[in-house]
Amino acid sequence: TQLLEQSPQFLSIQEGENLTVYCNSSSVFSSLQWYRQEPGEGPVLLVTVVTGGEVKKLKRLTFQFGDARKDSSLHITAAQPGDTGLYLCAGEDLGSGNTGKLIFGQGTTLQVKP
Amino acid sequence: NAGVMQNPRHLVRRRGQEARLRCSPMKGHSHVYWYRQLPEEGLKFMVYLQKENIIDESGMPKERFSAEFPKEGPSILRIQQVVRGDSAAYFCASSLAFRRQGAGEQYFGPGTRLTVT
Repeated sequence: TQLLEQSPQFLSIQEGENLTVYCNSSSVFSSLQWYRQEPGEGPVLLVTVVTGGEVKKLKRLTFQFGDARKDSSLHITAAQPGDTGLYLCAGEDLGSGNTGKLIFGQGTTLQVKP
Repeated sequence: NAGVMQNPRHLVRRRGQEARLRCSPMKGHSHVYWYRQLPEEGLKFMVYLQKENIIDESGMPKERFSAEFPKEGPSILRIQQVVRGDSAAYFCASSLAFRRQGAGEQYFGPGTRLTVT
């Protein structure tokens, strides 16, 4: 069974600090997605990483896919209160018979204090 | 281009009643996934449908739960005889296709928060 483990589970930092969130697995994924979810809302897709070693940037957010495609990281530079939310990584369950269903990590709750 | 729509956003049911959750995918999307998010737990896959077909229901409880995606109209997740343990946020996601880069990404609706009293 494929699992995705995120760390840390909770993170509380001051505005302006940098942070990194990790998403790890013992299984290979064809791609990984990162979502952000705010209270009372659905997950919003931030990025998809596909190629091992790939780095994608979205303003102050940098996403990296591990060379072996088993892990990914999200780095936020100079965090702002608007970055507060639940960050989720997800990957396609390759044991699902190619149905595209996603496995999610348990999420990282980020709080950025002004 | 409207996103994935779900209604109702909040639903309160008494034990034993039925709950019907509706999902309209993004325009042009023919793949619909339902996920459940229990308190303090992550999102878990329930069922995957294409128009008029259930493709994978491996994550859905065998009893009381059913799903459909008719030729016309929204996808429906139906829970019969609800129990307190069904209280959760239910999310629908749609995709254009999968196995093609960029086309298989899933876009989520705002969810339906079901409370069973």
